[in-house]
Parts: sequence; C-alpha cells; structure tokens
Amino acid sequence: KQEVTQIPAALSVPEGENLVLNCSFTDSAIYNLQWFRQDPGKGLTSLLLIQSSQREQTSGRLNASLDKSSGRSTLYIAASQPGDSATYLCAVSDYKLSFGAGTTVTVRA
Amino acid sequence: GAVVSQHPSWVICKSGTSVKIECRSLDFQATTMFWYRQFPKQSLMLMATSNEGSKATYEQGVEKDKFLINHASLTLSTLTVTSAHPEDSSFYICSAGTRNTGELFFGEGSRLTVL
Repeated sequence: KQEVTQIPAALSVPEGENLVLNCSFTDSAIYNLQWFRQDPGKGLTSLLLIQSSQREQTSGRLNASLDKSSGRSTLYIAASQPGDSATYLCAVSDYKLSFGAGTTVTVRA
Repeated sequence: GAVVSQHPSWVICKSGTSVKIECRSLDFQATTMFWYRQFPKQSLMLMATSNEGSKATYEQGVEKDKFLINHASLTLSTLTVTSAHPEDSSFYICSAGTRNTGELFFGEGSRLTVL
C-alpha cells in the first residue's frame, strides 16, 4: 500500500523567504506526482504535475523535483508572499491517488 | 486548466434524510471520477472510483449502500449520502481526470453538515 508523508506538518516564514516542502512515498512505481494547494474550506488547486519520466517541473515561482528511486519530491516556492499561505498537498498516482497529510504554510508579512 | 464543478457547496440536512452531491466536468469528458472525503485537519481519503456506465469501486471500509455513486454520463457523477447521520458530516470533494496526462482536476468541494 502506498504511503505518502509530508514534512514538516506546518511551516511559518517571513515574507520573502524561500519555502521548501518535502514529500516522500513508499512505492516508487508511480505514474505521476502532483502538488496541490488547498485554502481553508476550499477544494484543491493543482499546482504542478510531474510525470514519472520527468525530474522536475516549474511554474513561475514554483519548482517541484521528483526522485522516484528515493521516493521523494520537493516543492520550492521562491520569494514567498502572504498570499502563499495555504496547505500544500502532494499526491502520487499509481493505481489510485494517494495523498499526504499536507504542510500548512503561513507567510508572515 | 480543466474545470470541475461541484454542487452544492454547502448543505445542511436533518439526520435520516438523503443528500445528493453533483460533480461535473465542464470542458472535458471524464471516463473516471473520484470521490474523496476530508475530515478537519486531515488529508483526503479516497472513498470510491466512479466509472462511466459501470458500478463504482469502493474503498475498504466505505459503505456502498450508504454512499451511492452514479456516473451516468462522461461529464456527470453524483454522490448520494443516504440516511445521513451527524458522523457523515464532512467535506466531500470530487475529481476528474484527462485521458492524456493523467492530471486530476478537483471540484471546490461540498461541506455537509448533518444535524
């Protein structure tokens, strides 16, 4: 059974600092890995999708890396802003989608 | 990205009644849709996989007679919580995928409160 772990569970940084969010998974036989953002009481917004054959994806200030062999992915958010405050979830897709518990980020102005 | 619409966003019902939640893919055809449940401060838990034209596949521990899923068309799946009880109060989210990339898009979620 796939298990997805996200560390840390919560993170608070001053505005402008870079964010590093970690995701690890136990079974490397995945189709893809996806990072999501969730605001309180809201659904999920897809941030980045990395196919199993890729090593990273970038979108604006976001960069996500994937190391399948070690079962790890890292989401980098450059120059954080208060609007980046949210919970970030990673999910790996094999037969089904398995989610981590998320990292709750607070960016202080 | 593709749009998935979920309705209603909020629903409050009395214990014992049934509630239907709709999930629509607005600009693409989704042969498979997924239903998740999320308790406060916890991650999403997959409840069932809904395939168009066939019976849904439920995860272990999910009561199929309580959570009825119908995927009547390539753009619509419904989740009906039958005889709802307070412990069914939760945030329900659906997702649908595009065929080519495997990327999933999520609805905004439906918050169910059972009194």
